[in-house]
Amino acid sequence: DQQVKQNSPSLSVQEGRISILNCDYTNSMFDYFLWYKKYPAEGPTFLISISSIKDKNEDGRFTVFLNKSAKHLSLHIVPSQPGDSAVYFCAASEGNQGAQKLVFGQGTRLTINP
Amino acid sequence: DAGITQSPRHKVTETGTPVTLRCHQTENHRYMYWYRQDPGHGLRLIHYSYGVKDTDKGEVSDGYSVSRSKTEDFLLTLESATSSQTSVYFCAISDPRDLETQYFGPGTRLLVL
Repeated sequence: DQQVKQNSPSLSVQEGRISILNCDYTNSMFDYFLWYKKYPAEGPTFLISISSIKDKNEDGRFTVFLNKSAKHLSLHIVPSQPGDSAVYFCAASEGNQGAQKLVFGQGTRLTINP
Repeated sequence: DAGITQSPRHKVTETGTPVTLRCHQTENHRYMYWYRQDPGHGLRLIHYSYGVKDTDKGEVSDGYSVSRSKTEDFLLTLESATSSQTSVYFCAISDPRDLETQYFGPGTRLLVL
């Protein structure tokens, strides 16, 4: 049973426009959420995170929104740039003290077209 | 970038042979993790460690064992490799001062024939 789901396997966006990547979760115990970006043949790179006590976190061109009642989060990238083309994973954890067992979605491949 | 290396980066092996993957960190972080990435599944946690000699199972631990005899090294062993263990394996680390954020190594691509 997939506790974290990214229902769009791929997304294509024009350069300069907004990219919106979505993620849904089922476990109400999750209280910390992260987005990772992955290029081919490389490890995932941490992008941005949000705690469940917030509903928005912004870092430059990247903003993550959390809707706890809908168990939904989204990543907004604006403006989109060609270097943003990658696979994006959302992840969630229960925020226990100690080791954090991240649960990942399946990933969304974002392509930015010139 | 976090100082994490994985070795080997690529490996081809035969069914039934033992395989050991190594993760090495230079950050002196307490927590280390092994994940596997497969199409349609994202990344799934295999095992993790919360200190030297302290390890525990993750979501997909069957067929895998781990060891951590030094802070900097976390080994993942496939005792008898099977074709279902063909995957890309990632090591990650995190620090108690920033528990929730994990930093990943470059990955090991393993093919079991």
